[in-house]
Amino acid sequence: SAVISQKPSRDICQRGTSLTIQCQVDSQVTMMFWYRQQPGQSLTLIATANQGSEATYESGFVIDKFPISRPNLTFSTLTVSNMSPEDSSIYLCSASGTEFNEQFFGPGTRLTVL
Amino acid sequence: GQNIDQPTEMTATEGAIVQINCTYQTSGFNGLFWYQQHAGEAPTFLSYNVLDGLEEKGRFSSFLSRSKGYSYLLLKELQMKDSASYLCAVMDSNYQLIWGAGTKLIIKP
Repeated sequence: SAVISQKPSRDICQRGTSLTIQCQVDSQVTMMFWYRQQPGQSLTLIATANQGSEATYESGFVIDKFPISRPNLTFSTLTVSNMSPEDSSIYLCSASGTEFNEQFFGPGTRLTVL
Repeated sequence: GQNIDQPTEMTATEGAIVQINCTYQTSGFNGLFWYQQHAGEAPTFLSYNVLDGLEEKGRFSSFLSRSKGYSYLLLKELQMKDSASYLCAVMDSNYQLIWGAGTKLIIKP
């Protein structure tokens, strides 16, 4: 299994600013994903972070708003740009190996936008 | 479209057994996952089924019927710490997870 860490664990930000969330995996993984989870709701996939190329975004999410980097097989960042209160949520990093039979989650970043 | 259905909430008694059902319609199938999520925490992997049948892991078991698009998670000897949300997710043909809305399980003494 993989252990995933995220930084920061939580933040309170002002409207119009940007926040970059870091995700570090303790082993090389094939796939890395970024999810958003609103309180009391299930997970919504934002994008798949591709190593060495542009991320693949889901419907409703765009690169200008959520730029993602993945410079190597163990690290990725998600930036929430030009934040508004609607962006307040928990952001989760996830990773899976070549077998795809298990997907691990980081502890999440709780973001509050004022 | 792709759809995962599971009950919104269930209540059970400490020491009892509870079965949480999940039905799905997806574009392709590469396995079904169950996750446990306590409030304010990240989801924790419980089980993965890709073949029909029952997988047992301690107090938790997961069943899959691909022909029926159906799975259940069975929790035995319920403990208060089992109070959590249980998420069903199906991996589609693109190896992406399609998530259900989750079932909130409430355990009463």
